[in-house]
Amino acid sequence: GAVVSQHPSRVICKSGTSVKIECRSLDFQATTMFWYRQFPKKSLMLMATSNEGSKATYEQGVEKDKFLINHASLTLSTLTVTSAHPEDSSFYICSARDQGGTDTQYFGPGTRLTVL
Amino acid sequence: AQTVTQSQPEMSVQEAETVTLSCTYDTSESDYYLFWYKQPPSRQMILVIRQEAYKQQNATENRFSVNFQKAAKSFSLKISDSQLGDAAMYFCAYRSAYYGGSQGNLIFGKGTKLSVKP
Repeated sequence: GAVVSQHPSRVICKSGTSVKIECRSLDFQATTMFWYRQFPKKSLMLMATSNEGSKATYEQGVEKDKFLINHASLTLSTLTVTSAHPEDSSFYICSARDQGGTDTQYFGPGTRLTVL
Repeated sequence: AQTVTQSQPEMSVQEAETVTLSCTYDTSESDYYLFWYKQPPSRQMILVIRQEAYKQQNATENRFSVNFQKAAKSFSLKISDSQLGDAAMYFCAYRSAYYGGSQGNLIFGKGTKLSVKP
């Protein structure tokens, strides 16, 4: 299947700092990427839909000024957690939609964010 | 709005045996896709199997097969000859075939934790 990478896999930062997470589709182009948040032992919660060349669409209750999403190319989307606080600590997962072939979403390996 | 329900928070199976994970969904749409994803302890989401709603034939992938009952809105996953590596969280997911504003996002169930006993 198609490969999606995510970087970094793990990050620890101080409260008040900003953290950028990258999501790349390695062997296909993705006009649409998705960002999820997963709490321990819980399902994935969709945060936003990222579209290449346009503004992201955020789910209800997700602060767009706190979670900045940029999808500047067909293979790269970034999520920046601005002024991070301990409650932002979580597991963040991206996925990319491969619209060619089977039109399936493929997931990155996730990023564990810990805010001290 | 569409919903996905997995009524089994945890399941257990003996190695080499067969286990079935349940999933039901609710939708008013006639065209959609259903998926089973596996999330092992590494937390990497892995696509297990996919089913198009317009296809009557149940999808199969090696030891994994589904029982898709469109009228009943049921989509169960059968794992045959279970292996230790099958131990993971399994998520059932729905995706509309009508993109519109959703742009193809997945709607997930809460997951079923599968344990495999040696």
